[in-house]
Amino acid sequence: GGIITQTPKFLIGQEGQKLTLKCQQNFNHDTMYWYRQDSGKGLRLIYYSITENDLQKGDLSEGYDASREKKSSFSLTVTSAQKNEMAVFLCASTRTGGQDTQYFGPGTRLLVL
Amino acid sequence: GDSVTQTEGLVTLTEGLPVMLNCTYQSTYSPFLFWYVQHLNEAPKLLLKSFTDNKRPEHQGFHATLHKSSSSFHLQKSSAQLSDSALYYCALTSGGNYKPTFGKGTSLVVHP
Repeated sequence: GGIITQTPKFLIGQEGQKLTLKCQQNFNHDTMYWYRQDSGKGLRLIYYSITENDLQKGDLSEGYDASREKKSSFSLTVTSAQKNEMAVFLCASTRTGGQDTQYFGPGTRLLVL
Repeated sequence: GDSVTQTEGLVTLTEGLPVMLNCTYQSTYSPFLFWYVQHLNEAPKLLLKSFTDNKRPEHQGFHATLHKSSSSFHLQKSSAQLSDSALYYCALTSGGNYKPTFGKGTSLVVHP
């Protein structure tokens, strides 16, 4: 078994601030993902990474940067937080991709004042 | 591109009645379908996924059949339990693509 850890659990930021979310997995999985979860909009893919140092844009990449520093970690940066923004950011990983099951972390809850 | 359409919004059921949550998809290549479940304040986790040999996957009383002719992978259970109350996501990958596509989710509430 394995686990995905996301830090921080809660993040409160100010409008215009750059905010960084971190994700670690010990599954030894190759592929990692960042999703944004909003009520009624499902899970929207922001960035994904097939292997260390790889980055692929998802459907919602504008306003975000990502970094796959090593195989076990994947960071997401909100480049300029939007006022009154409230969302949950979920990190996930799979062994490779395609038919493999995604394993999700517990999420980071973002609130921008 | 790929897309997934689920029963929208909220489904409310009485305990003991059958559950059916719809999922239809569009895919350029041969699809692989998943159902994920997310209970309140928990992370999403896999409920079941389609098999390449067309066997029907089952888990915790839920089952789903991939019908390529109708592009569907509906989730079913014969008798709803209170503990089935959760958010359900249908998801798709295709052609060995690493980029999954999720539906918007269906919230299931089972009441006594």
